[in-house]
Formats: sequence, structure tokens, C-alpha cells
Amino acid sequence: AQSVTQLDSHVSVSEGTPVLLRCNYSSSYSPSLFWYVQHPNKGLQLLLKYTSAATLVKGINGFEAEFKKSETSFHLTKPSAHMSDAAEYFCVVSDRSGGSNYKLTFGKGTLLTVNP
Amino acid sequence: DSGVTQTPKHLITATGQRVTLRCSPRSGDLSVYWYQQSLDQGLQFLIQYYNGEERAKGNILERFSAQQFPDLHSELNLSSLELGDSALYFCASSVRDVNTEAFFGQGTRLTVV
Repeated sequence: AQSVTQLDSHVSVSEGTPVLLRCNYSSSYSPSLFWYVQHPNKGLQLLLKYTSAATLVKGINGFEAEFKKSETSFHLTKPSAHMSDAAEYFCVVSDRSGGSNYKLTFGKGTLLTVNP
Repeated sequence: DSGVTQTPKHLITATGQRVTLRCSPRSGDLSVYWYQQSLDQGLQFLIQYYNGEERAKGNILERFSAQQFPDLHSELNLSSLELGDSALYFCASSVRDVNTEAFFGQGTRLTVV
């Protein structure tokens, strides 16, 4: 069965400093991986996706993530945090898990706080 | 704007009642997914429809049901509501299945009092 572990429930950074949100996954098959962001009282917005092409994936708003199969990780990074980055971030894995249908499994989320 | 439309945005109802949540997927998307987000459970997959047929079931209670209509919009019916059903309900759509990305609506916040 597939699973996602977001290693930090809350990350706090200062504006202008780097952001690192950590995600480890477990999957029996070749998964696709996604990061979604949820701003307060908003829906989920796709930040970036990995679907077996380049292992370093660039997304919107300066975010990127690197797929490391040997470490089963898909950490999200950004060189310089902005106040508008404050939100909850979800790491998501998608695979067939032995069935014929793909299934999305969400991590518990990491709340990012950006301090002025 | 993701292109996925959910109505209503907010819903307050009493225990024991029944409500219907509506979702219009992005134009061209055949798959619709329903998720429940609560503080204690996080984001839980409920059910998926593909081109009008049920494709996959997750942690959906028997009191809940869904359907996808010929025009591809979907409805999630919640009956015999309990306080614990209070949550944010999201609909998402994708072209086929979720190996590509899913696009989420803004959600319907259900409060059961």
C-alpha cells in the first residue's frame, strides 16, 4: 500500500530565508508525486508534479522538488520565502497500488509560517 | 481559478438532516473525486467517478452517496448527518485518472449543529 509521511507538521521561517518541507513516500509501483498548497479558506492548488521524467521538478512561485528514489523522498524547496508563501502544503503520491485505478494519497500536511 | 466549481460554499444544517453538494468539473475532465477534510482526519478520499460510472471507493460512509450525471457534473449526498460530519468537502477533477494532476474546487464547508 502506498503512504506519504510529511516529516514536519509545522515549519517556521523568516522572510527571505530558504524553505525546506520534507516528504517521504512508500509505493510498490512507480509513483507520480505532487505537491499541493492550500491557503486559508481556499482550495488546493497544484504546485508541481513528478511523473517519471526529470527528477528535479520546477513548479510555480519559485518552488522546486527533487525526486530521490534511493531515499524515497520528494522534498519541496524554495530559495527565498515570501510572506505570501504562508499556507499548508501537502505531499501527494499517486499509484495503482495493485489495482487498475490510480489512487491519490495525501500526507497530513505541513503548515508553513513566514515571519517578517 | 482551477475550473472546478463547487456549490454551495457554506452549508449549515442540523443533525439528522440530508444535504447535497454539487461539483462541476473542468471542461473536458471525465473523472471526478470527492474528498473530506477535517482537522483530525486530514484529507480523506471518499469516492471517484469516471464518465458516469463509479471507479473507486475510499472511506465513504454508508450514509453518504454520490453520482455523476451525463453532463459530468457530480453530486455528493450526505444523509442522517451527525456532528462529526462537519468538514470541508472538496471535489477534484482530472482528464482521466490521477496519474496526471487533479484540479480541486474551493470546497464546501459543512457545519452540522
